[in-house]
Amino acid sequence: AQSVSQHNHHVILSEAASLELGCNYSYGGTVNLFWYVQYPGQHLQLLLKYFSGDPLVKGIKGFEAEFIKSKFSFNLRKPSVQWSDTAEYFCAVRGNTGKLIFGQGTTLQVKP
Amino acid sequence: GAGVSQSPSNKVTEKGKDVELRCDPISGHTALYWYRQSLGQGLEFLIYFQGNSAPDKSGLPSDRFSAERTGGSVSTLTIQRTQQEDSAVYLCASSLRAGEDTIYFGEGSWLTVV
Repeated sequence: AQSVSQHNHHVILSEAASLELGCNYSYGGTVNLFWYVQYPGQHLQLLLKYFSGDPLVKGIKGFEAEFIKSKFSFNLRKPSVQWSDTAEYFCAVRGNTGKLIFGQGTTLQVKP
Repeated sequence: GAGVSQSPSNKVTEKGKDVELRCDPISGHTALYWYRQSLGQGLEFLIYFQGNSAPDKSGLPSDRFSAERTGGSVSTLTIQRTQQEDSAVYLCASSLRAGEDTIYFGEGSWLTVV
């Protein structure tokens, strides 16, 4: 069965610290991978996506993610976080049937 | 329309009543998804429509939940005999196809069962 696991439920960082949020998935076929962000009181926004090609993808606001097929992982990174990055982050996987499954989400709190 | 439109944006209903939530996807999008987001929880997959194929209903939590998609466009999620645990934000999303296309989310319908 298709599933997504986000290892960190709640992360607290100081401004300028580096960020890495883990995401692992379970699916036997070709996948599309996504990271979405939900700022407080707002709706989901797409941060970045991987469909094919270069496994290192860059998204908005300085975020990037690397698809490592052998590890079934798609970790999100940012070299230096800002207070405005405080939000909830969701990893999602879409299999070849089109079904899109989300992880449990990671709450990021950035202290000024 | 320009984006995925959901209505109502907020709904308060009494326990035991039926509710209908509507989703109007982006014009031409063949794939449509429904999710539920409860307070402090992730996004729970409910149902997925793709073109004229049979929907994937594997995420519907009980037989009180059902969804339709008429004419390949607008979708309605119906919850019968609502319970307090049904209180959540119900999110709809659509994409052009099921393949390599970006998925766009609506702003959600906030359901409160009292």
